[in-house]
Amino acid sequence: EPEVTQTPSHQVTQMGQEVILRCVPISNHLYFYWYRQILGQKVEFLVSFYNNEISEKSEIFDDQFSVERPDGSNFTLKIRSTKLEDSAMYFCASSDGGAGRGGYNEQFFGPGTRLTVL
Amino acid sequence: KNEVEQSPQNLTAQEGEFITINCSYSVGISALHWLQQHPGGGIVSLFMLSSGKKKHGRLIATINIQEKHSSLHITASHPRDSAVYICAVPNTGNQFYFGTGTSLTVIP
Repeated sequence: EPEVTQTPSHQVTQMGQEVILRCVPISNHLYFYWYRQILGQKVEFLVSFYNNEISEKSEIFDDQFSVERPDGSNFTLKIRSTKLEDSAMYFCASSDGGAGRGGYNEQFFGPGTRLTVL
Repeated sequence: KNEVEQSPQNLTAQEGEFITINCSYSVGISALHWLQQHPGGGIVSLFMLSSGKKKHGRLIATINIQEKHSSLHITASHPRDSAVYICAVPNTGNQFYFGTGTSLTVIP
């Protein structure tokens, strides 16, 4: 059964460093998402991506963050100049359709990358 | 401001009990997503529903669009059902709002 994969499973970095979290969505999916879950808190939407551009982003997704689909398979989240409060689990998800305008498509989640900023 | 509210936050049940988790939302379109988060952190989709009721094994999900309320029921609960159950709703764009989750522990 196809699945979303994420690498690395755990990333430790020093404050101020840049990190790139990688995701391989399910191959025929068109919509890609990044979510964040700070320990003990709820899952938060960061960004959605469709047709090689951001379709929606939350207030959390500021200039520190960027997303890219560098090739036909990978979907990356870059966090520049990491801060202590960026420590969280980051989940990637993909779906074969968008959520809005009356349509609703199941999202498939990756296993997550635990980011620890020291 | 919480767009998605879940109750209870924590739930402990004896094996075999019938369990109900509730979700109310103030935003979103006419659909809702129930997710299960395992102790290790992984998230699995359980249901997406836009009306009525869906059943999968011992899990049943219902939704009332007019009242913006959904319930997740687990029949004959088992210790392996222990997890965090999360409801999520999309807005009219491509953004999802998540509830805080209900942490379920089923005791043998």
